[in-house]
Amino acid sequence: EAAVTQSPRNKVAVTGGKVTLSCNQTNNHNNMYWYRQDTGHGLRLIHYSYGAGSTEKGDIPDGYKASRPSQENFSLILELATPSQTSVYFCASGDARGKDTQYFGPGTRLLVL
Amino acid sequence: GQQVQQSPASLVLQEGENAELQCNFSSTATQLQWFYQSPGGSLVSLLSNPSGTKHTGRLTSTTVTKERRSSLHISSSQTTDSGTYLCAIDRANTNKVVFGTGTRLQVLP
Repeated sequence: EAAVTQSPRNKVAVTGGKVTLSCNQTNNHNNMYWYRQDTGHGLRLIHYSYGAGSTEKGDIPDGYKASRPSQENFSLILELATPSQTSVYFCASGDARGKDTQYFGPGTRLLVL
Repeated sequence: GQQVQQSPASLVLQEGENAELQCNFSSTATQLQWFYQSPGGSLVSLLSNPSGTKHTGRLTSTTVTKERRSSLHISSSQTTDSGTYLCAIDRANTNKVVFGTGTRLQVLP
């Protein structure tokens, strides 16, 4: 079973502050993804990565940066957090786009005041 | 508009009844997955089924790719099946996964 962990699990930030959400996976999957989940919108893809050193824009990348320093780690960075970024963020990993299932982390609840 | 539409939005059943969940999508999909999200928020993949019929335990998924629709049938529902069921597609010729907003299922004892 794939193991994807996220930290922190809960975060309160102030408007204009920098927030970094971290994701770690231990199954050597090439692909990793960051989503946010909001009522009425479901899960929306923010950024994804095909492997160490790669980051790609998803459907809603504005206001977010991503970093994939290694196969195991994928970070989501909010340089200047805004209240509209209050959400639940999920990280996922998968072996091959279009072929394999995605394994999700437990989620991070972010509140931006 | 919404690229992945799920129906019904919510469903209440008595334990032992069967559930039928629908997913319709407006783009050509190379992959279709059903996920379960627990009331606590954790997400688990249930089935990958880009076409045809797949079974796992009490779950049966049927995807008709040409008609851009998929269904998830849950037989003999249990209270532990309560939660939200999400359908997601990998859109053809893109590298993006699109999720529906889910069907919230409540199974009463």
